[in-house]
Parts: sequence; structure tokens; C-alpha cells
Amino acid sequence: AQSVTQPDIHITVSEGASLELRCNYSYGATPYLFWYVQSPGQGLQLLLKYFSGDTLVQGIKGFEAEFKRSQSSFNLRKPSVHWSDAAEYFCAVGANNNDMRFGAGTRLTVKP
Amino acid sequence: DTAVSQTPKYLVTQMGNDKSIKCEQNLGHDTMYWYKQDSKKFLKIMFSYNNKELIINETVPNRFSPKSPDKAHLNLHINSLELGDSAVYFCASSQDYTEAFFGQGTRLTVV
Repeated sequence: AQSVTQPDIHITVSEGASLELRCNYSYGATPYLFWYVQSPGQGLQLLLKYFSGDTLVQGIKGFEAEFKRSQSSFNLRKPSVHWSDAAEYFCAVGANNNDMRFGAGTRLTVKP
Repeated sequence: DTAVSQTPKYLVTQMGNDKSIKCEQNLGHDTMYWYKQDSKKFLKIMFSYNNKELIINETVPNRFSPKSPDKAHLNLHINSLELGDSAVYFCASSQDYTEAFFGQGTRLTVV
């Protein structure tokens, strides 16, 4: 089965600073890649997704992610972080067998 | 109008009891999932169903039994609850292998 690695368990950034959350995947075919965000006590909300085409995808809340096949990566970025971005972020990879796997998550803390 | 709804939202029960969590989606999706999120926030897939057919059954104890009466519903029944079953359980649905829509979760506490 496919798998996802998020190397950073916890990241702290200052408000207004840029952000990059790392995600590496393992899958033999073309993956379907996702980033979700989970605020405390809430379910998961989709930020963006990549299926094919342009490797730089734009999402909601000013987030973007870039698919790099050569590095098996799908890193999430935001140029300027807001305090409301503090949450848990999950990278996920989907396969064409109705199987979606998530990384362990990265907790983002935003300093004032 | 909630897309994926789970009930109950909170469930506190004693060890050894049997409990069920219900999930319904009104998105017309063919695929539904159950995920378990532990205290470290790790999301682990438990089951996936496609059109009422079991597709994925991860290494989950036999005490967990999913039931899909129709493609809009996927319920999770847990027998003989143990302390280690305490977690947040998420139901989700998707069409084919596109994005998954999640319910709000059911926080299960076994005491």
C-alpha cells in the first residue's frame, strides 16, 4: 500500500513568516495527493489536491503545494502565516483502490 | 445540510460494553471509510467500502465490525470495548479515489 511521511511533528513559526510543511510519499504509480487541515476538536478540511497537470496547485486560505515526482514530495507552503493557521496539517495519498493513507501530521504553532 | 454526519459525537462507556457509531453521507459517493485517530493525532485507516462491498480491512481486531446497509451508510460496531479503543473515530466518503469528505468525528472514551 502507499504511504506518507511527514518528517516534522511540530513546527513553530512567527506570524507573518513563511511556512513550508514537508510531505514525502511512496507509491508505485501516479499518486493522488492531498493536504488537509484539522483545527482542534474539528474534522478534516481539504486545503488542496493534486491529480495531474500543473505541479503547483493552489488551495484555500492562501496555501499552495508543489508536486515533485523526482523527490516524491508534495510540500505545502504559505508566504505569510496568520495566527488562525495554527492547526494540525495532514498530507495524504490516494490510490485507485479506494485507499487513502495519511501521514502522521504536523502540528503548526504560530507565535505572535 | 451536513455532507457526512456521525452520531454520536461523544461516547463514554465502560470496558466490556458493545457500542455502535453511525455514519451517513448525502453526497452520493460510492466509497466510505472509517479512520481511527489516536491521542498522537495519527490517522489510521480501518475500513473502506465501495458500494456496500468491503474493499479495505486493515489489521483491525475482530471486535470491530463495519456494516454498510446501503452506500449512503457505514456503521461501526465495536464489541467488548477495551481501554485502548479510546480514540476519535472519523467517517469519510469519497467518489472513486478523489478527495475524502470527513465527518466531525466521534470521541470514544472507554473507562
